[in-house]
Amino acid sequence: DIVMTQTPSSQAVSAGEKVTMSCKSSQSLLYSENKKNYLAWYQQKPGQSPKLLISWASTRESGVPDRFIGSGSGTDFTLTISSVQAEDLAVYYCEQYYDTPYTFGAGTKLELK
Amino acid sequence: EVQLVESGGGLVQPGRSLKLSCAASGFTFSNYGMAWVRQTPTKGLEWVASISTGGGNTYYRDSVKGRFTISRDNAKNTQYLQMDSLRSEDTATYYCARHPSYVMDAWGQGASVTVSS
Repeated sequence: DIVMTQTPSSQAVSAGEKVTMSCKSSQSLLYSENKKNYLAWYQQKPGQSPKLLISWASTRESGVPDRFIGSGSGTDFTLTISSVQAEDLAVYYCEQYYDTPYTFGAGTKLELK
Repeated sequence: EVQLVESGGGLVQPGRSLKLSCAASGFTFSNYGMAWVRQTPTKGLEWVASISTGGGNTYYRDSVKGRFTISRDNAKNTQYLQMDSLRSEDTATYYCARHPSYVMDAWGQGASVTVSS
């Protein structure tokens, strides 16, 4: 199985700060045939189900604010929130869909400083 | 608006069965693959199973193969997860998810399953 490792596990932030979080995979998620990275980011707020934010490592879903930026390729990926808002406090998960079983990271929890 | 509503969760003894349902609305159900994902505080999010649009192709994680069966009824806009020979480690919140070519782009609110004597 592909192991997804997220760091940090939690991060205390202030509104307006720029935040970055990392996701590393145990093998490359870049498919050579189409040059796409099979990596998604989800946001889960307390008491809610996960919500898809970004697919293909950097493609924002419709309606996702442009302060959420996905980047990276191969085995190293980053989710950046350019200016954190109060409503962004949540747990963020990366997921690989390169191969089954699809696997998720353990999450990065954003908390208020 | 896309809606996925799970039902059928509850408390069940080890070795017994439970069947989850997921009623879909707000989109053309038969055009989308579907999936089940579970979540626990200790193991986090785990993909459980997926099913193709017509139901002819199904995929499972190893730990549930032979015990769980994913299925769908496109006429009823509903997918199912039949869970047999349940174990304590199957205790989790089970989410129904829309699964169009790889990602899970819409999720239900979750159904709690507790396996305990």
